[in-house]
Amino acid sequence: GIQVEQSPPDLILQEGANSTLRCNFSDSVNNLQWFHQNPWGQLINLFYIPSGTKQNGRLSATTVATERYSLLYISSSQTTDSGVYFCAVLTGTASKLTFGTGTRLQVTL
Amino acid sequence: KAGVTQTPRYLIKTRGQQVTLSCSPISGHRSVSWYQQTPGQGLQFLFEYFSETQRNKGNFPGRFSGRQFSNSRSEMNVSTLELGDSALYLCASNDGGNGELFFGEGSRLTVL
Repeated sequence: GIQVEQSPPDLILQEGANSTLRCNFSDSVNNLQWFHQNPWGQLINLFYIPSGTKQNGRLSATTVATERYSLLYISSSQTTDSGVYFCAVLTGTASKLTFGTGTRLQVTL
Repeated sequence: KAGVTQTPRYLIKTRGQQVTLSCSPISGHRSVSWYQQTPGQGLQFLFEYFSETQRNKGNFPGRFSGRQFSNSRSEMNVSTLELGDSALYLCASNDGGNGELFFGEGSRLTVL
């Protein structure tokens, strides 16, 4: 099956810093999503981005489908950005997401 | 528009018991999929239901089963619980195509 790798696995930032999270995948995908998992476990949708670039406030994402990677940019990080960020891809016709192992982000004061 | 609703949010069971979890998708969504999250294995796909039919299944033993009703609500059942079944169970819904999936808050199961 498809492999999804995320880097870095852990990231510690000071408030106000910028960061880039990377997601590499091993095959063509129909869909790619970025999620933020809050402390209670819920997966919060950040981006649905099978290709191209999108921006939402301090967050933006770029997927280069032909090169099989996606990047999530977080600018001017805040403590509320702390948590685990997951990339997930969908292949085939069924709604089955394959998740990466996540990037654990800690933003300190 | 209401989001994906999962019940119960927390539950504690003992080994050998069974458990049923429920998921109500976003109105109009016909696909419901289930995922298990554990510290060791990460987020893994269990199965997906679309229009009351199981359309895809992950690599889990037969103790894990599910079903979907005509109103698209779904239930998953785990029989003969084992300690390793302790996990966060997440449900997601979408329109059944390649569109965006939306997740519920999860059901956190502890098996003692």
